[in-house]
Amino acid sequence: GNSVTQMEGPVTLSEEAFLTINCTYTATGYPSLFWYVQYPGEGLQLLLKATKADDKGSNKGFEATYRKETTSFHLEKGSVQVSDSAVYFCALRTSYDKVIFGPGTSLSVIP
Amino acid sequence: DGGITQSPKYLFRKEGQNVTLSCEQNLNHDAMYWYRQDPGQGLRLIYYSQIVNDFQKGDIAEGYSVSREKKESFPLTVTSAQKNPTAFYLCASRFSGREYNEQFFGPGTRLTVL
Repeated sequence: GNSVTQMEGPVTLSEEAFLTINCTYTATGYPSLFWYVQYPGEGLQLLLKATKADDKGSNKGFEATYRKETTSFHLEKGSVQVSDSAVYFCALRTSYDKVIFGPGTSLSVIP
Repeated sequence: DGGITQSPKYLFRKEGQNVTLSCEQNLNHDAMYWYRQDPGQGLRLIYYSQIVNDFQKGDIAEGYSVSREKKESFPLTVTSAQKNPTAFYLCASRFSGREYNEQFFGPGTRLTVL
């Protein structure tokens, strides 16, 4: 079946450090891939997406590349800020109208 | 401004009572979804609807019910049959028909059973 695996958190980084949150998936066909962010007490917001192999999604300094050969969609940012502290969810959508979410990775950035 | 609204933000319920969570969107989206989120966990799909007057069970539909009488509204009822209803509930919507169309989420309702 379809599934999403994310690195376990919590992740704690100092401000301006490099961030990588790993995401791998299992899916039939060619899914669209998403990263969502959730700030405390709020709903999820789309951070970036990629719809086909080798696409790179980017937004607010975050990037992720759709790697079909490794079934991965790792999230990266070159220099994190305190305001990036949140929970990050990797997700996929296949041809059926469902989205499969990973368990989320909590990120804390300290000054 | 277009968006999704959920009300109330916090809801308290006594055991044995049914409670209805509101979700409204003015984005003209055809598909709507309800998710449950427990502390430290990901999202689990409760129900979803792709068109008015039609909806499908998600992965954890037991103890919940929904209706979709209007395109912009998708209320969720948490019934007394739901064994552990305390959670954060998120409503979402999207334009269906394209896999890459993302879901837009409301701010959530935190339900606590006393």
